[in-house]
Amino acid sequence: AQSVTQPDARVTVSEGASLQLRCKYSYFGTPYLFWYVQYPRQGLQLLLKYYPGDPVVQGVNGFEAEFSKSNSSFHLRKASVHWSDWAVYFCAVSMGDSNYQLIWGSGTKLIIKP
Amino acid sequence: VTLLEQNPRWRLVPRGQAVNLRCILKNSQYPWMSWYQQDLQKQLQWLFTLRSPGDKEVKSLPGADYLATRVTDTELRLQVANMSQGRTLYCTCSPGQISNERLFFGHGTKLSVL
Repeated sequence: AQSVTQPDARVTVSEGASLQLRCKYSYFGTPYLFWYVQYPRQGLQLLLKYYPGDPVVQGVNGFEAEFSKSNSSFHLRKASVHWSDWAVYFCAVSMGDSNYQLIWGSGTKLIIKP
Repeated sequence: VTLLEQNPRWRLVPRGQAVNLRCILKNSQYPWMSWYQQDLQKQLQWLFTLRSPGDKEVKSLPGADYLATRVTDTELRLQVANMSQGRTLYCTCSPGQISNERLFFGHGTKLSVL
């Protein structure tokens, strides 16, 4: 069965430092992968999405992610975090067919130290 | 630009009572409307996707029973009954049927059990 694992429930980084949030997926086929962000007391917003092609995907606000088929991973990166990046980040996978469902990771809360 | 209007933003639900939620679509270019639940641990789960007026579906999950109705092209409703644990319900919309399309989220309705 398809699944998404975000192994870190919470990540703390200093403002200006680099960031990596981990996502591992389990899927037999070609996945479509997403990162969404949830700011406090808001709904989710799309950061970036991967469709089969270039493994490095650029998103909004300086975020990027790299797809690795060999590692079954889709890690999110940012070169320099800002306090406004404080949020919960969700990784999701879809089968890209007529199935409506996205399968979601459990989320990683990003905390920024001043 | 807000694509979805969800009401109410927060409700306190007496144990054993049902509550009715409403979601209004502001842009007809995103007609595929769905409900997602997010539990107290932030885990997201797809509930329903309803496209056409008159579509109805029911589902029972741990902690709540759901009835979703696509009332019109712009209105989606959700009745939540037998809720034993708090949760947040998000309405989403999407331009297409298949699950690799981008989702747009409403602000959510947070339900707490009294």
